[in-house]
Amino acid sequence: DTAVSQTPKYLVTQMGNDKSIKCEQNLGHDTMYWYKQDSKKFLKIMFSYNNKELIINETVPNRFSPKSPDKAHLNLHINSLELGDSAVYFCASSPKPGTVYEQYFGPGTRLTVT
Amino acid sequence: GQNIDQPTEMTATEGAIVQINCTYQTSGFNGLFWYQQHAGEAPTFLSYNVLDGLEEKGRFSSFLSRSKGYSYLLLKELQMKDSASYLCAVRDHNAGNMLTFGGGTRLMVKP
Repeated sequence: DTAVSQTPKYLVTQMGNDKSIKCEQNLGHDTMYWYKQDSKKFLKIMFSYNNKELIINETVPNRFSPKSPDKAHLNLHINSLELGDSAVYFCASSPKPGTVYEQYFGPGTRLTVT
Repeated sequence: GQNIDQPTEMTATEGAIVQINCTYQTSGFNGLFWYQQHAGEAPTFLSYNVLDGLEEKGRFSSFLSRSKGYSYLLLKELQMKDSASYLCAVRDHNAGNMLTFGGGTRLMVKP
């Protein structure tokens, strides 16, 4: 009964490839997020998304795009992978945007680009 | 933009008390969160402050002063399992209410 799940847990791929990471939450939350945590452990927001609104961190390259087939899923597509994309990617969800409710994080996907 | 500063590393002894500070600058403050992250794991929520003052939750307490742009996380009766990174995060309503995280404070608890 995992609350926020991600697949795969580990992903090793070559530069230039296109890959996707999947995220699912069974909490009935309205808002989902993608974060990137680099080797220095900085956790940076990439996207915030609910049924009505996508908010993009302006520093995120347009090679990254979120896709939401339904309220419980938010997948992350990455085109033309680069070495600098190597990081741990966390999905998270919360009940409503801007409320007191905390965000629940998935277990993370460790992406290694060679 | 936002700046969030917290010490990179701290060391404390089992059974002691430790205070982890966080200072921030933000244009549309809408709450401050503390998260715990063990190595190789996901962050987990510890506390939330939006008004000035102290919030206590068991061995953990968090304090906020909005006028000073300052918060701290207080951990009492330290246990070995408290060795982890502690992340301060600020929510900004001028940034779509998204969270901006500090770099985290890596706490090592020694016997």
